[in-house]
Amino acid sequence: AQSVTQLGSHVSVSEGALVLLRCNYSSSVPPYLFWYVQYPNQGLQLLLKYTSAATLVKGINGFEAEFKKSETSFHLTKPSAHMSDAAEYFCAVSDGNSNSGYALNFGKGTSLLVTP
Amino acid sequence: KAGVTQTPRYLIKTRGQQVTLSCSPISGHRSVSWYQQTPGQGLQFLFEYFSETQRNKGNFPGRFSGRQFSNSRSEMNVSTLELGDSALYLCASSLRQGDNSPLHFGNGTRLTVT
Repeated sequence: AQSVTQLGSHVSVSEGALVLLRCNYSSSVPPYLFWYVQYPNQGLQLLLKYTSAATLVKGINGFEAEFKKSETSFHLTKPSAHMSDAAEYFCAVSDGNSNSGYALNFGKGTSLLVTP
Repeated sequence: KAGVTQTPRYLIKTRGQQVTLSCSPISGHRSVSWYQQTPGQGLQFLFEYFSETQRNKGNFPGRFSGRQFSNSRSEMNVSTLELGDSALYLCASSLRQGDNSPLHFGNGTRLTVT
């Protein structure tokens, strides 16, 4: 089964600083990768997805992620953090096939704290 | 377009009881998936339904079941509730035109078992 590992369960940055959230995948074939964000008492919202069309993927709210096959990584970045970015972030990989059905395997999540 | 709707938002049940959660997907989405979210285990896949058929199932006991109706709406049922079933249950819908179709999540049902 394909899986992802998120490094760092908590990340703290100052407002205006670079945000870097790390995700490494484990896959023997090119994976489909996703980043989701979860605000308190809400469901998950898709930030961006990688589908092999381009290694640098731009998402919503100024976030982007770069797929690096040599490092099996798909780190999420944002040049300048806003207070509103404080949330839980999840990296996920699609697993399965058209016969057995699909599922997303999620990382453990990284809680982003933004300080004034 | 309306998003994924889950009802109820909150539930409190007693051990041994059963519970049914409901999910209405985004219009046009034929795939519905269910996930359990807990602080200890994180997000875990329960099952996926596509065109009223269970396509995939996660590693959960048989007490957890689900179904999908012809209008793509889905329900999940948990019987003989245990304390460990306390969690946020998330429903997600997708066009499921391939494994790169993103999931669109509802706000979840918070189940507390006492």
